[in-house]
Parts: sequence; C-alpha cells; structure tokens
Amino acid sequence: ETGVTQTPRHLVMGMTNKKSLKCEQHLGHNAMYWYKQSAKKPLELMFVYNFKEQTENNSVPSRFSPECPNSSHLFLHLHTLQPEDSALYLCASSQDPGQGGTDTQYFGPGTRLTVL
Amino acid sequence: QKEVEQDPGPLSVPEGAIVSLNCTYSNSAFQYFMWYRQYSRKGPELLMYTYSSGNKEDGRFTAQVDKSSKYISLFIRDSQPSDSATYLCAMRGIQGAQKLVFGQGTRLTINP
Repeated sequence: ETGVTQTPRHLVMGMTNKKSLKCEQHLGHNAMYWYKQSAKKPLELMFVYNFKEQTENNSVPSRFSPECPNSSHLFLHLHTLQPEDSALYLCASSQDPGQGGTDTQYFGPGTRLTVL
Repeated sequence: QKEVEQDPGPLSVPEGAIVSLNCTYSNSAFQYFMWYRQYSRKGPELLMYTYSSGNKEDGRFTAQVDKSSKYISLFIRDSQPSDSATYLCAMRGIQGAQKLVFGQGTRLTINP
C-alpha cells in the first residue's frame, strides 16, 4: 500500500449504530487530519493530530470521537449520528510544519458515509 | 460571508480550450495559496502551491495570486479530457500552517 488509505470506502449506518473509520498513512508523516466533505460545501477540518496528540478540534460534536494510536494510524469512532452527518470523510497526512517539514497535505480516497 | 468564495460551476469547455478557475477571499492574513484537483471517488491531490502574490507555472498549469484584490486564479492551457475533475482552492495564513481554508470547489468537464 502506498500513500494514504482509508477503510471502509462506503458505509451505511443507522442512527443508533456504532462504527469506526480507519485511516493509515505510508508516507512517514507525523501529522494526521480528519475532514468532512459535504455536497455543495467546502472541506471542513474536523481534527488534527501531531505526533499522536490532538492539537485541533474544530468544534466537532462529541458523537465523533477520534483516536490516534500512533503516527501512522487514525480512527474516527462514530455513534448516534444524524442524517445530516452523511458526507465524504477524508483523512490526510503531512509532516508537522512546526518541525520544519513541508506542510503539504496528502489525502486518502475518503469514506462515503450514509446515515439512515 | 464565507472566507473563501468559489463558483461551484459546473463548467464545461471543449478540449484544447484555456480554462480559468477563480477564488476570492476576505481574510487579508492569507499568505499561502493552493489548488487541489479531485477526481471522482478520489481524495484531493495538490496541484499548485504559491506564496504571496505573483505567478507560478507548471506545465499546462499557471497559478496566479493578486493579494491586493484578494483574488486567485488557476489557468489550464490546452485542456484535456483527463483534466475533468473538481478543482479546490485552499489557503492559509503564516500562522496555523495546518488549518487550510477551502473553497467549495469548481466542477470542470472537458469535452472531447
């Protein structure tokens, strides 16, 4: 595997379900991100992790719970979601700009989430 | 008012045409400007990255930044059907290197 991978690619869940999205980066980066991409809206940054520590939570509802066990893996745990949470969830990674690296973000293909 | 405005299109042009894609922004603190290309069922990929005002050229692509007008453009010369995608502008200030602000994206189709 190369680049940034995400699983599953598609997910349909009910409002009472609990599911998790997984992201893995194979680029040796130390920063990882979750974005939400909804139809007719710009990409919205949700969370940022640097060296496994959460450094940004962009006022995301608590029904979204991120986890970053190491610099290569990022999860987004979902529970009691609403239909308006249906969107494409994108993971990205980069070097930590604070460590002198380039800040170019590399994106995965996304998980298309549908909440019924 | 949105921080970054981008016409969502769709924009449809014939093969070989010059394409102009644009974004306007309101935050004068933005210093770094990017264009991402997103194919259907794929994540965005970085196409062009510029700092402050001026032009940057890479093959058939030219990125232009006019900070005085808070206006950025991406030009595609000799457009090809493989250029059909959604183009996203993104920008950030000197601080907050990881907090990109994106435009809505413009959906572009190049017709053979």
